[in-house]
Amino acid sequence: DQQVKQNSPSLRVQEGRISILNCDYTNSMFDYFLWYKKYPAEGPTFLISISSIKDKNEDGRFTVFLNKSAKHLSLHIVPSQPGDSAVYFCAAGGAGGGADGLTFGKGTHLIIQP
Amino acid sequence: EPEVTQTPSHQVTQMGQEVILRCVPISNHLYFYWYRQILGQKVEFLVSFYNNEISEKSEIFDDQFSVERPDGSNFTLKIRSTKLEDSAMYFCASSFGADTGELFFGEGSRLTVL
Repeated sequence: DQQVKQNSPSLRVQEGRISILNCDYTNSMFDYFLWYKKYPAEGPTFLISISSIKDKNEDGRFTVFLNKSAKHLSLHIVPSQPGDSAVYFCAAGGAGGGADGLTFGKGTHLIIQP
Repeated sequence: EPEVTQTPSHQVTQMGQEVILRCVPISNHLYFYWYRQILGQKVEFLVSFYNNEISEKSEIFDDQFSVERPDGSNFTLKIRSTKLEDSAMYFCASSFGADTGELFFGEGSRLTVL
């Protein structure tokens, strides 16, 4: 039961260009969506989030877009930098209310090429 | 900067043995979580803990799992009788609130069951 799907296991982008990571979800009850970044041998690190009542949230080089009708969100990184190379997890929460757990996608490995 | 710390970083155990994974959450956080990631798979929610009791748990968190906050600083995950399929990276996380999904993760404890 994959409620959160990241269909691209990996993505290669040239340094300086835009990276677009995509995520789809099936549960319309999710209240908020997040992107986490993970380097090898480290835990996930929170990157950016968006509430279900918004369609865009921007933080520096990172922008998350939410299309509720399509149950789709995306993370844009512009310009991409070598340090952005990592695994990016899409996550969603709030469907159960309270301290329910986040549902993660399988991740997309972003590789920034010089 | 405050961080979530986990010990041990790697534990190897024999099938059927009990394992305790330890976590020190960020000191002013109120919600605590365990997640796991089996190699090559997605990060999965196990359990959340608030006010000295379990708030939510997933189907994975069966009777062989238990959590405890024994002394106000440590948060432990006990696996009573380990199975081969328990081999995974276990991540502890904490948060101040429960309504945004912004969790702070530790670096993980790798459990290998032989």
